[in-house]
Amino acid sequence: DVKVTQSSRYLVKRTGEKVFLECVQDMDHENMFWYRQDPGLGLRLIYFSYDVKMKEKGDIPEGYSVSREKKERFSLILESASTNQTSMYLCASGLAGVSYEQYFGPGTRLTVT
Amino acid sequence: EDKVVQSPLSLVVHEGDTVTLNCSYEVTNFRSLLWYKQEKKAPTFLFMLTSSGIEKKSGRLSSILDKKELSSILNITATQTGDSAIYLCAVLVRTGANNLFFGTGTRLTVIP
Repeated sequence: DVKVTQSSRYLVKRTGEKVFLECVQDMDHENMFWYRQDPGLGLRLIYFSYDVKMKEKGDIPEGYSVSREKKERFSLILESASTNQTSMYLCASGLAGVSYEQYFGPGTRLTVT
Repeated sequence: EDKVVQSPLSLVVHEGDTVTLNCSYEVTNFRSLLWYKQEKKAPTFLFMLTSSGIEKKSGRLSSILDKKELSSILNITATQTGDSAIYLCAVLVRTGANNLFFGTGTRLTVIP
């Protein structure tokens, strides 16, 4: 079974803090994704990566950056957290060319106060 | 701008009822439509639909795509409390990694 894990289930941070969300997958997938999920807005893609050190912006990249130094690990970074970044963050991975079937992690619920 | 819209946003039914969830889309380069079920944790894949008019079925769940109407429905018969979840529709467009657009989801609550 594919396993996608995220470093924290719940996280509370203060405005202005730098926040790291980590995602690890164990299936050697080329593609990895970060989404945020908000009521009434569904899942929105923040960034994705199709290879180590490769990244592309999704629909809402502002205020975020990412890092992929190893194939199995994809990190989402909030350089200076703001209250409007309070959300559920979901990581996903998928095979190149067959990326329709994305496997999701359990999510991190981030609250910025 | 690519858009995926689901309706209703939320739904409460009694066990044993049949429900129909709707997904409509306006996208360029449509390839497939996918349904996911999201309970407390991560979304899990249910169906992928590529051809119009061909029903996909898994137990009490079934889904069909209408490319003419740019829409899909997800049916759940004889609902159970375990069907309570958010049901997400996503549309696959173009090639490449950035290719899934999600709808807002329908929150289904099944009460005993």
